[in-house]
Amino acid sequence: QVQLVQSGAEVKQPGSAVTISCRASGGPFRTVPISWVRQAPGQGLEWVGRVVPILATSNYAQRFQGRVTITADESTTTVYMELNSLTSEDTAIYYCARGSYGFQHWGQGTLITVSS
Amino acid sequence: DIQLTQSPSSLSASVGDRVTITCQASQAISHYLNWYQQKPGKAPKLLISDATNLETGVPSRFSGGGSGTDFTFTISSLQPEDFATYYCQQYDNLLFTFGPGTKVDVK
Repeated sequence: QVQLVQSGAEVKQPGSAVTISCRASGGPFRTVPISWVRQAPGQGLEWVGRVVPILATSNYAQRFQGRVTITADESTTTVYMELNSLTSEDTAIYYCARGSYGFQHWGQGTLITVSS
Repeated sequence: DIQLTQSPSSLSASVGDRVTITCQASQAISHYLNWYQQKPGKAPKLLISDATNLETGVPSRFSGGGSGTDFTFTISSLQPEDFATYYCQQYDNLLFTFGPGTKVDVK
């Protein structure tokens, strides 16, 4: 079955950058988009962006444009998300989620804490 | 960007109750509307895709309807394991949006 395994929690200083990963297994990697969705403490879900591995293309929610980069490494079936210029408002659990129009499979979540 | 509104934002119900949540899109999205269940400390779970399609393994007490801008999500007979937060989500033109969520708790 499809599994998405994410990297561990991160603590970052304001203004810095963070890169987290999501390794996929058990299903086709190249043809199914993988998105990143975040959830701030006590808040709802927010789509950040996605990558389509077979096309090597990414697209992002407008509010993250210029600050986020999502890439895929086919050799390791791993998707990465780099988020720059971190502020306290970026403190959240970040999930990777697999699917074209909806998200059938989710990772376990990675907590990013931004604090001085 | 397309915005989604959900109502109510929260509701209290009892086991066996019929529960209905609505989701309204700021512009027409055809049938590209999905529903998720999220329990505390867990990742969301996709329950219904394309407005009406029940995902494999999801109990038949869950159902969805609607198209265009107005959608509904119904639990026909609430079970103890259904107390959770529910989100709608749309897909349009390579972008995704989630609704703000509806928390279903115990009356």
